[in-house]
Amino acid sequence: RKEVEQDPGPFNVPEGATVAFNCTYSNSASQSFFWYRQDCRKEPKLLMSVYSSGNEDGRFTAQLNRASQYISLLIRDSKLSDSATYLCVVNKGQNFVFGPGTRLSVLP
Amino acid sequence: DAGVTQSPTHLIKTRGQHVTLRCSPISGHKSVSWYQQVLGQGPQFIFQYYEKEERGRGNFPDRFSARQFPNYSSELNVNALLLGDSALYLCASSLGPSGTYEQYFGPGTRLTVT
Repeated sequence: RKEVEQDPGPFNVPEGATVAFNCTYSNSASQSFFWYRQDCRKEPKLLMSVYSSGNEDGRFTAQLNRASQYISLLIRDSKLSDSATYLCVVNKGQNFVFGPGTRLSVLP
Repeated sequence: DAGVTQSPTHLIKTRGQHVTLRCSPISGHKSVSWYQQVLGQGPQFIFQYYEKEERGRGNFPDRFSARQFPNYSSELNVNALLLGDSALYLCASSLGPSGTYEQYFGPGTRLTVT
């Protein structure tokens, strides 16, 4: 089993749609969780950290379920500018493990 | 404040050559991590340095080495280049050991090995 797995994608959604990304991780000792977005041929950019209680930043909501070792990201009212690859990141000891990413295309 | 900077932005090398990639972290950040990203995959961890000491090493051959300098900048060296080393090499900096702190990435160095 891979250390971090994500929906294979791609997701193609119309503007204004709600889209959910799922991520599972294998290391039950992991304590830090993040979502990054990566535009084509650019570097990953931090989107949000994921806290145990869940957290929200505008149209973006992240949830963590430690028992199921599952992380989610919800984007509401999606915009064309949300088109990118979304990367789930989990710590392994003092280092980070990235998932393979899920590509999102928001269509006009 | 300047973000993470990397040089060069692009590089073309021949099989068997060696390459040195450079990274300057965000001011005040003491940890630098290196990643390799091939097309269609997430970044793969290569090294982490914190306070000039190696704090982690990913599953890469000994041809890959790195170091961190007193000013917290870092170099990644790759010897005996193979075609499979062609990738985007990303540097990320964080305030402390990167397993806990958020990481911020530089624009990367795109390496092509022919």
